[in-house]
Amino acid sequence: RKEVEQDPGPFNVPEGATVAFNCTYSNSASQSFFWYRQDCRKEPKLLMSVYSSGNEDGRFTAQLNRASQYISLLIRDSKLSDSATYLCVVPDYSGGYNKLIFGAGTRLAVHP
Amino acid sequence: EPEVTQTPSHQVTQMGQEVILRCVPISNHLYFYWYRQILGQKVEFLVSFYNNEISEKSEIFDDQFSVERPDGSNFTLKIRSTKLEDSAMYFCASSENFSRRGEQYFGPGTRLTVT
Repeated sequence: RKEVEQDPGPFNVPEGATVAFNCTYSNSASQSFFWYRQDCRKEPKLLMSVYSSGNEDGRFTAQLNRASQYISLLIRDSKLSDSATYLCVVPDYSGGYNKLIFGAGTRLAVHP
Repeated sequence: EPEVTQTPSHQVTQMGQEVILRCVPISNHLYFYWYRQILGQKVEFLVSFYNNEISEKSEIFDDQFSVERPDGSNFTLKIRSTKLEDSAMYFCASSENFSRRGEQYFGPGTRLTVT
């Protein structure tokens, strides 16, 4: 069974803090990875794609360690609007297509 | 910015009734999906659809479920005889092409309540 595991949190941090989330995955054949963001009772929204060792987009940095089957998401200079659940997502392409396997998510609460 | 739309936003139905959930994927996208999320749980894959046929389905997607693309824009999920445990948020998603199939764009969801 292909699993994606995350620390559920919550992470409670002040504005301006740097926070990092970890994710481990069991499918060693996975080649691409994603972080999605989900606000309460809303749909998941694509935040970052990771196709090689990492990716950076403004305040957000994702890093991949294939040997340890571990992905991280770093958020610098946290904003109140960053409060959400962050979903680690690993595709399962074994069926040839595009099934996304979601982690349970890590909840972030940024306070003033 | 193009987006996936879903209707209705909330559907209440009695056990044993049929429901149809509707989605309009992003217009130039080729791959379509349904996922569900039971309250407080993970998002779970149900089915993927490409070139007018199911490309993959999960063990959740049993004979009670079916999908259809009746025209060039709509993508529907039908549950033939709903059970209490079908109560969940159902998300439709689409992706552009094969190389970007992991980058999926989700609609706002339909909350299904089975009583």
